[in-house]
Amino acid sequence: EAQVTQNPRYLITVTGKKLTVTCSQNMNHEYMSWYRQDPGLGLRQIYYSMNVEVTDKGDVPEGYKVSRKEKRNFPLILESPSPNQTSLYFCASSFGGTGHTEAFFGQGTRLTVV
Amino acid sequence: AQSVSQHNHHVILSEAASLELGCNYSYGGTVNLFWYVQYPGQHLQLLLKYFSGDPLVKGIKGFEAEFIKSKFSFNLRKPSVQWSDTAEYFCAVRGQRSNYQLIWGAGTKLII
Repeated sequence: EAQVTQNPRYLITVTGKKLTVTCSQNMNHEYMSWYRQDPGLGLRQIYYSMNVEVTDKGDVPEGYKVSRKEKRNFPLILESPSPNQTSLYFCASSFGGTGHTEAFFGQGTRLTVV
Repeated sequence: AQSVSQHNHHVILSEAASLELGCNYSYGGTVNLFWYVQYPGQHLQLLLKYFSGDPLVKGIKGFEAEFIKSKFSFNLRKPSVQWSDTAEYFCAVRGQRSNYQLIWGAGTKLII
């Protein structure tokens, strides 16, 4: 089954404790991205990757890191989480280039930083 | 800067009522347009998309949308809503010269 898988689905952590949210897709998509969703603000892009080893900042990259060592995986790293990073996070993937298509989303990760 | 505006943050309708959710965008070039739905506690799912061709697009679950280029609009419609349509609806736009970035509206919460 074609899907984007995020883990964990729920996470409560303390300020400053490094964490990683994993994202994996099985559709051979080139383009992957991370979003955060906050009430009244819609989705805001954190980082994106157009292919392996190619990543770039989205609209709200501060406090986050990503890597793209393999095509299927695109982890989101919070080196020192803070309470303002409490949010709902989504990973998405799509085909890139001239065949760019709609985005497929993971199930989401609800992160609480206390 | 590109932006997407959804006119209503909350909409409450009775079953069988007709639905129209507004979406306007600001981008001068060729665009791809999307409507996504997020049911409570779930991830975003594609309702419909417009890339080119017929500006009236039909999607899943009886939804349709009309692209009006002169008005920079892509409004979502459904002739008769059901209780199961209770969800949040997001409009998104991708400009073809924007590194494929999707720009999102703030969402409209629909309660039936």
